[in-house]
Amino acid sequence: QVQLQESGPGLVKPSQTLSLTCTVSGGSTSSGSYYWSWIRQPAGKGLEWIGRSYTSGSTNYNPSLKSRVTISLDTSKNQFSLKLSSVTAADTAVYYCARNTLRFSFDYWGQGTLVTVSS
Amino acid sequence: QSALTQPASVSGSPGQSITISCTGTSSDVGSYNYVSWYQQHPGKAPKLLIYDVSNRPSGVSNRFSGSKSGNTASLTISGLQAEDEADYYCCSYTSSTTHVFGTGTKVTVL
Repeated sequence: QVQLQESGPGLVKPSQTLSLTCTVSGGSTSSGSYYWSWIRQPAGKGLEWIGRSYTSGSTNYNPSLKSRVTISLDTSKNQFSLKLSSVTAADTAVYYCARNTLRFSFDYWGQGTLVTVSS
Repeated sequence: QSALTQPASVSGSPGQSITISCTGTSSDVGSYNYVSWYQQHPGKAPKLLIYDVSNRPSGVSNRFSGSKSGNTASLTISGLQAEDEADYYCCSYTSSTTHVFGTGTKVTVL
């Protein structure tokens, strides 16, 4: 059974960089059959796709966040990570990591982690 | 990219059928059969219900079905049950090699 688990600071100061890691078990991030995505959800609001990474190193990002986002894969640790720079209160949200099939759906999700941007 | 448009809320009585629409553009829903649907209960992660417009993953009830016409995709829940009360989101692949989610629909079982 594939499981994903997000980890990282729950509180980040404005203008700093948000950093999260997703650890995958029961599956391999080096598999060429999947992308690995980050998705976020502000409290009481909808889902927003942030971006994805592939084993080849290729990445795709939401145009609205592209200038601030970096997603990378560490296949040796079976993890992938999210870095979002210059954060503001608007970046406060539950952040989910998810496995992204080549058919472009998200079949496994982490439980989500709340990140609050506040001084 | 703009979020796909869904009705804010849909309701129905137990046993009834309801349909949730998801309207996009010719750059996303209209161009690809890569529309997926997710169910999200409060405080929980979303769960994949439908992929590739109308396919159900193993373990998902056949009461959930999907379709698409032009720039609009739809999710139908038949034989509505109390446990179906949740938020539902559509998602589409786009011509910019990105993904875009719908605005979300709250389903209430009366």
